Amino acid sequence: AQKVTQAQTEISVVEKEDVTLDCVYETRDTTYYLFWYKQPPSGELVFLIRRNSFDEQNEISGRYSWNFQKSTSSFNFTITASQVVDSAVYFCALSGPSFYNQGGKLIFGQGTELSVKP
Amino acid sequence: GAVVSQHPSRVICKSGTSVKIECRSLDFQATTMFWYRQFPKQSLMLMATSNEGSKATYEQGVEKDKFLINHASLTLSTLTVTSAHPEDSSFYICSARAPGTEGEKLFFGSGTQLSVL
Repeated sequence: AQKVTQAQTEISVVEKEDVTLDCVYETRDTTYYLFWYKQPPSGELVFLIRRNSFDEQNEISGRYSWNFQKSTSSFNFTITASQVVDSAVYFCALSGPSFYNQGGKLIFGQGTELSVKP
Repeated sequence: GAVVSQHPSRVICKSGTSVKIECRSLDFQATTMFWYRQFPKQSLMLMATSNEGSKATYEQGVEKDKFLINHASLTLSTLTVTSAHPEDSSFYICSARAPGTEGEKLFFGSGTQLSVL
């Protein structure tokens, strides 16, 4: 069975602090895809990153970085120098090998609500 | 870029009525769309996979007769909540995969907040 766990329900930081959002996943598939989405108060889901199981390279995009470690089944997300606009709920999600052929059936984690205070 | 439009963004209805939610892919064709449900401060749960020209595939525990899905064209899927009750109040969100060189990203609609009185 597939499962995504985001143990941190809520995180509150002060602007300019760095913050890491944890994501642990479970799957029996050897090919799978991991995602991070941002859900601001308006409700829409904003795509941040997709990573396939064969690519363990860490990625950096501006203030965002992701650490994918298959050995610990984790795909953690770090925001450097956080800003008030980063306040949102962040979801980690997992999809199986059928993602490329059959599209986006995603298993979502519970979400982490990040509050960045000025 | 690819956009998924969802309408309405918010609907309030009386118990017992039916509500239709539309999900459109604006600049790409989506043979498959997905419907999710999200309770306050909870995760998104997949309800069903909407397939163009065929029946939807529902996840375990989702009532097919209550949540009717129609995917009549390559750009439109609709979710109808029939005989809505207060427990159906939730945030419903659709997604579609946009094929292309950007890596088969999924795009989500902006969601529909359904409140059943």
